[in-house]
Amino acid sequence: GDSVTQMEGPVTLSEEAFLTINCTYTATGYPSLFWYVQYPGEGLQLLLKATKADDKGSNKGFEATYRKETTSFHLEKGSVQVSDSAVYFCALILTGGFKTIFGAGTRLFVKA
Amino acid sequence: DTAVSQTPKYLVTQMGNDKSIKCEQNLGHDTMYWYKQDSKKFLKIMFSYNNKELIINETVPNRFSPKSPDKAHLNLHINSLELGDSAVYFCASSLRQGALGTEAFFGQGTRLTVV
Repeated sequence: GDSVTQMEGPVTLSEEAFLTINCTYTATGYPSLFWYVQYPGEGLQLLLKATKADDKGSNKGFEATYRKETTSFHLEKGSVQVSDSAVYFCALILTGGFKTIFGAGTRLFVKA
Repeated sequence: DTAVSQTPKYLVTQMGNDKSIKCEQNLGHDTMYWYKQDSKKFLKIMFSYNNKELIINETVPNRFSPKSPDKAHLNLHINSLELGDSAVYFCASSLRQGALGTEAFFGQGTRLTVV
């Protein structure tokens, strides 16, 4: 079945460190890919998305590239801030599909 | 204006009780969802409605009954609450079911604690 696998957390980094959170997917069709972020006590909000192979989604200094050959959508940021501390979810939805499938989430802690 | 709003934000209740969570979206979206998030942050879809019609029911116990009076509202009623129902429940909506790149918009969540 369709699924998303992302690296287990928590990930703990110092401020200004480089961030990578790995995400791979399995899909029977051709999915759109997303990263959502959940700050403490809040709902999920869209961070970035990509809808076709080699597309790069970007927002707030975060980037992810849709790699069809490796079925991956890794999240990166060059210099994290304390305010980036949150849980990050990789997700997919199939075109014509009826639900978004989420990975297990990766908690990020950034220390000052 | 809050795009997807759900009430209450916190709900503490005893086992065996019946409770409801309400959700409203003012985005004009066709599709609404209920998700359950457990203590490890894992998100699992429960229901999906498209224009008031049930599209997905992910093997959720019959004690959970969604109701969509119109496409802007999707409420969740839970009968005979059990300890294992304790979780955060999220309502979400999206513009069109399965359209390319359609993202979901989430409410703030309802933290349900069954004691």
